[in-house]
Amino acid sequence: EADIYQTPRYLVIGTGKKITLECSQTMGHDKMYWYQQDPGMELHLIHYSYGVNSTEKGDLSSESTVSRIRTEHFPLTLESARPSHTSQYLCASSVLQGAAQYFGPGTRLTVL
Amino acid sequence: DQQVKQNSPSLSVQEGRISILNCDYTNSMFDYFLWYKKYPAEGPTFLISISSIKDKNEDGRFTVFLNKSAKHLSLHIVPSQPGDSAVYFCAASEMGAGNQFYFGTGTSLTVIP
Repeated sequence: EADIYQTPRYLVIGTGKKITLECSQTMGHDKMYWYQQDPGMELHLIHYSYGVNSTEKGDLSSESTVSRIRTEHFPLTLESARPSHTSQYLCASSVLQGAAQYFGPGTRLTVL
Repeated sequence: DQQVKQNSPSLSVQEGRISILNCDYTNSMFDYFLWYKKYPAEGPTFLISISSIKDKNEDGRFTVFLNKSAKHLSLHIVPSQPGDSAVYFCAASEMGAGNQFYFGTGTSLTVIP
């Protein structure tokens, strides 16, 4: 069973606020990912990490930033939230490059 | 440009019958494919995978078929059960080019009791 957690599950926030979406996994996976998904659309990779102190941007341009100071923790930060950031954010991890990814439950973000 | 496409947004099937979900891809370099299942308010859950060296992979009621020449894969669920009602995503990657998976837009399956 996958043990990957995301908080908060739902967040409604005003424009201009700084927010951090938390993601933690207890499986010891080196690889972690952040996806963004709008309703009825595909998942888009926005950030990934191959291990501690490793972060890369995905295909979809994002104004968010990530950090990977500990293996189990991969937070995503928006310095100044805007309505265009309204979306669902899914965190995932995998044991190997190319292996199936385990997903967290997601954070649904609404920026007013 | 979407590299993985699921052209049927929804599908309804009677309980006990076969559900067939389809997925097409455009990148001939993709060599590893997965299906995920997603319930509302939950993250996607890995269901079954197939690599390009095979054309079929079976796991219980779930079978994935890969047709490389047509760049097409399908997921068969037999027999379908009401608990299978969910959104199904296919995903594809090129194993040697990093771990990026490209996802389809999903097909919402409803199994009618």
